[in-house]
Amino acid sequence: GIQVEQSPPDLILQEGANSTLRCNFSDSVNNLQWFHQNPWGQLINLFYIPSGTKQNGRLSATTVATERYSLLYISSSQTTDSGVYFCAVRGNQFYFGTGTSLTVIP
Amino acid sequence: DSGVTQTPKHLITATGQRVTLRCSPRSGDLSVYWYQQSLDQGLQFLIQYYNGEERAKGNILERFSAQQFPDLHSELNLSSLELGDSALYFCASSAHPIGGIDEQYFGPGTRLTVT
Repeated sequence: GIQVEQSPPDLILQEGANSTLRCNFSDSVNNLQWFHQNPWGQLINLFYIPSGTKQNGRLSATTVATERYSLLYISSSQTTDSGVYFCAVRGNQFYFGTGTSLTVIP
Repeated sequence: DSGVTQTPKHLITATGQRVTLRCSPRSGDLSVYWYQQSLDQGLQFLIQYYNGEERAKGNILERFSAQQFPDLHSELNLSSLELGDSALYFCASSAHPIGGIDEQYFGPGTRLTVT
């Protein structure tokens, strides 16, 4: 299957700081999504981004499919950004990365 | 709110028992996916159905089975439960299968505890 590696595994930020989360995948994929799992366990869609760049408010994402990686940028972080960020890709089935656990402290 | 509903929210049962988890997809979505999230295995894809037919299979145990009904809701059946089956079970739905934009939207999950 496709290996999906996310880095860093853990991140602690001061409120207002910026961060970049990375997702590397081992093979060609048909799609890629970023999710935020909040402290209550809900998985929230952030981006559907098999290639290119998208922005949504303070968040943006870039996927370079030919080089098999995607980046999620969080600017001006807020305490509500805390949680685990997952990327997921589709090959012949779906594969999730192990996530980046983000803690934003006030 | 993603529009995907799952019942029950919590389930506590004993080893050896059988349970059924239910999922209703977003209005208009034809694909349903099931995932298991446990502390040691992370998020694992189990199975996908599209318009009533099995479309993709992942790490689903033989003790587990699923189906999608004509009204597009789906059920995941877990039998001969073991302690290791304790996990959060997610359902997701999307509008299109392979080849289209299969952006998935997740339900709130069912937390299963096997004692």
